[in-house]
Amino acid sequence: KAGVTQTPRYLIKTRGQQVTLSCSPISGHRSVSWYQQTPGQGLQFLFEYFSETQRNKGNFPGRFSGRQFSNSRSEMNVSTLELGDSALYLCASKVGGPSDTQYFGPGTRLTVL
Amino acid sequence: DQQVKQNSPSLSVQEGRISILNCDYTNSMFDYFLWYKKYPAEGPTFLISISSIKDKNEDGRFTVFLNKSAKHLSLHIVPSQPGDSAVYFCAANFGNEKLTFGTGTRLTIIP
Repeated sequence: KAGVTQTPRYLIKTRGQQVTLSCSPISGHRSVSWYQQTPGQGLQFLFEYFSETQRNKGNFPGRFSGRQFSNSRSEMNVSTLELGDSALYLCASKVGGPSDTQYFGPGTRLTVL
Repeated sequence: DQQVKQNSPSLSVQEGRISILNCDYTNSMFDYFLWYKKYPAEGPTFLISISSIKDKNEDGRFTVFLNKSAKHLSLHIVPSQPGDSAVYFCAANFGNEKLTFGTGTRLTIIP
C-alpha cells in the first residue's frame, strides 16, 4: 500500500499571504490529522477530520482551517501568514477507530518570509 | 498543560548497549500508547504501541513497558545500532480523542 503523501514538500511564502497544503491518506483510512512541528517543540495538534467532519481540534487560531473530501483526502489552509507559521506541517492518517495506529506523511516545510 | 512528558531532551548510548527512553503522562484516561521515531525533515515513523491492558509489548529489538500505577512508559532498544540515532516521541490517547505527543528525546548512538 502507498503511504501518506503530502504536497507540496516545500513552500516559501511571504507574510500576509495564504497557503493550502494537501494530504492523501493511506487507502482505506478515513481519519486524517494535521500537526505543526517547530524547532524545539513537539508535535502540536491542529485538527482531525473523519468522514469529512472535524472530529477534534487543537488550540490554534482561526487562521488555520481544514477540510476533508469524500475520498478522504484533506487540505489545510493558513490565511494571513505570520513569520511564526514557519514550520514542518505533518499529516497523519489512520483507519479511524480507537487504538488504530496513526501513520505520518513526510511533511510540508513552510517558510514564511 | 503538558499531559505527556519526556523529561530527557537527549540521550547518548554506546553502540551495542541498551537504550532506555522514558515517558510520563498525567491523564489517567489514556489507554493507548505509541512510540514514534523521527529523522530530520521527515515524518515520524511508527515503532511500537501498547494498550493499557498490557504491561509489556515486544517487537524485535524494541520493547515498550507500561507502568499504569506510576503513569510511566519506557522504550528499550537492545542492542542499539547507529541507525537508531533519531528523535523519539511517545504519544498517548483514549477513545477517539486526539493523539497527544511528548516533546521528544534525541537519541545518539555512539559507534
